Amino acid sequence: AQSVTQLDSHVSVSEGTPVLLRCNYSSSYSPSLFWYVQHPNKGLQLLLKYTSAATLVKGINGFEAEFKKSETSFHLTKPSAHMSDAAEYFCVVSDRGNQAGTALIFGKGTTLSVSS
Amino acid sequence: EAQVTQNPRYLITVTGKKLTVTCSQNMNHEYMSWYRQDPGLGLRQIYYSMNVEVTDKGDVPEGYKVSRKEKRNFPLILESPSPNQTSLYFCASSYIGQAHSYEQYFGPGTRLTVT
Repeated sequence: AQSVTQLDSHVSVSEGTPVLLRCNYSSSYSPSLFWYVQHPNKGLQLLLKYTSAATLVKGINGFEAEFKKSETSFHLTKPSAHMSDAAEYFCVVSDRGNQAGTALIFGKGTTLSVSS
Repeated sequence: EAQVTQNPRYLITVTGKKLTVTCSQNMNHEYMSWYRQDPGLGLRQIYYSMNVEVTDKGDVPEGYKVSRKEKRNFPLILESPSPNQTSLYFCASSYIGQAHSYEQYFGPGTRLTVT
């Protein structure tokens, strides 16, 4: 069965410092992995996705994530945080081998706070 | 513009009064889904549809109904809403099949309050 664990419910950083949001996954098949961002009172926006091509994935707004199969991890990073990065981030897995349904399994989310 | 639309965006209702939240997509996606978002729980799937007239339960289907009579529309029906259905609801859609990454496109959300 698929599952996603976001290891931190809340991460606080200072503006200009690196961001690391951690995600571990469990999947029976070859997974697709995503990071979505949700700004306050907004819908979900796709940041980046991994679909078995390059293991280092670059997304929007300077974010990137590395798929590590041996560690079953898909951590999200950004070299330098900006105030506008403050939001909730969701790590998501979808089993591409599961043709019965393409449900996304969401982690519980990590709230990123950025201080000046 | 490719998008998923939901209506209404905000709804306050009373226990037991039937309501429908509409969802429409203009990308010709086969797959559509409803999620609810609650604090500390992330998003949980309510129902999904693989194509017209094909629907199935997700993780939390109790108290909800759906229909898929047209490819573009996937309404969520609460026949007798209860306060525990107070939540933020998202509709999403995507292509299906091995050729696709299953990236889902989300609507803007509907905030429902049941008193």
